[in-house]
Amino acid sequence: KAGVTQTPRYLIKTRGQQVTLSCSPISGHRSVSWYQQTPGQGLQFLFEYFSETQRNKGNFPGRFSGRQFSNSRSEMNVSTLELGDSALYLCASSFLPGTSGGTSYEQYFGPGTRLTVT
Amino acid sequence: AQRVTQPEKLLSVFKGAPVELKCNYSYSGSPELFWYVQYSRQRLQLLLRHISRESIKGFTADLNKGETSFHLKKPFAQEEDSAMYYCALRGSQGNLIFGKGTKLSVKP
Repeated sequence: KAGVTQTPRYLIKTRGQQVTLSCSPISGHRSVSWYQQTPGQGLQFLFEYFSETQRNKGNFPGRFSGRQFSNSRSEMNVSTLELGDSALYLCASSFLPGTSGGTSYEQYFGPGTRLTVT
Repeated sequence: AQRVTQPEKLLSVFKGAPVELKCNYSYSGSPELFWYVQYSRQRLQLLLRHISRESIKGFTADLNKGETSFHLKKPFAQEEDSAMYYCALRGSQGNLIFGKGTKLSVKP
C-alpha cells in the first residue's frame, strides 16, 4: 500500500506571497491532519479534515486554511507569508479520526513539505 | 491544559547501555499516549502506544498515572536506535499533541 504523499517536497517563497501544499492520504483513509514542525516550537497541530469538513483546528492565525476533496486528498493554504512560516509541514492520514467508536486509529505521516520564506 | 514535556533535548549513551527517554504529560481524564520515532531522512512513524502494551524493537513504555509519565525504555541500546523520539498525547479533540522531542545518540 502506498504511503502518504506530499507535494511539493521543497518550496521557496517570498514574504507576502501565498502557497498551497498538497497531501494524498493512504488509500481508504478518510481523515487528514496537518502539522507544522519548526526547531523552536516542535510539532504543532494545524487542523484535521474528515469527509470534506474541518473537524478541529489548532491555534494558528486565519492565514492558514485547508480543505479536503471528495477523494480525501487535502490541501493547505497559507496566505500573506511571513518569515516565521518557514517550516516543515507534515500531513498525516488515518482511516477514521482519532478515537472513533472506541477504536484508536493510527496516524501515518507523509515526508513533509519544506517551506522556506525569504 | 493539555501538554507533553520531554525534558531532555539530547540523550547520549554507549551501545549496550540502558536507555530511558522521559515524557511527562498534563491531561484531565484518561490519557492516550504514544511514542513516535524519526530516523535520519525518514518520515515520522509510530513506535508504540500505551493501550497496546507491546514491545517494539526492544522498547517498552509504561503509563504511570500517578506521576503522569510515559517514559520510554530499552535495556540495551543499539546504534540503529539513534533517532529523534517524540512523545505524543491524544488531545480531547482527537489531535496529537507532541513534546519537543529527544535526540537519542547511541555511540559505538
